[in-house]
Amino acid sequence: SQTIHQWPATLVQPVGSPLSLECTVEGTSNPNLYWYRQAAGRGLQLLFYSVGIGQISSEVPQNLSASRPQDRQFILSSKKLLLSDSGFYLCAWSFWTNTEAFFGQGTRLTVV
Amino acid sequence: GQQVMQIPQYQHVQEGEDFTTYCNSSTTLSNIQWYKQRPGGHPVFLIQLVKSGEVKKQKRLTFQFGEAKKNSSLHITATQTTDVGTYFCASPSGAGSYQLTFGKGTKLSVIP
Repeated sequence: SQTIHQWPATLVQPVGSPLSLECTVEGTSNPNLYWYRQAAGRGLQLLFYSVGIGQISSEVPQNLSASRPQDRQFILSSKKLLLSDSGFYLCAWSFWTNTEAFFGQGTRLTVV
Repeated sequence: GQQVMQIPQYQHVQEGEDFTTYCNSSTTLSNIQWYKQRPGGHPVFLIQLVKSGEVKKQKRLTFQFGEAKKNSSLHITATQTTDVGTYFCASPSGAGSYQLTFGKGTKLSVIP
């Protein structure tokens, strides 16, 4: 069976500091990978999307970036965090032939 | 881009009452998916509807896809406290797209 791991679960970072969130998927090959952000009490905003190694599509221009160095690894990064980057970050995967998304546990990021 | 409008935004019901959330689009949807997010948790895939007029049931949950494939509903019969959470609909952003557009969700509170 497939599993998705996302860490850390919570993170408090000062403004201007870098960010690296990692997500890995097990039990499947060539998954589609996604990073979403959810502001408190709000809907899901798609940030990045990847259909393969090194292939990243950005949905929202901002100071965040994503990378996919391996087939089942997806990383969300920032060089300098802003207060507005606070939120609940969710990694998700889907089979390459499908769109049903399976989410990780999420990372609650607070920028102070 | 394609949008899915979801109503209501909030719903408070007495335990045992029924609950319905609706998802509407101005364009034809290739499929509609429903997710549940418990408070503090991550979205969990519930079901996908593909065919016009499709109806699927999961215990007390009934999912419908409109004949024109532009709207969908989730109905919960006799709500329980375990039903508390936010229910999201989602649909692929375009033909052949693996990206999902999520509705803003309906937050369900159940009063015991």
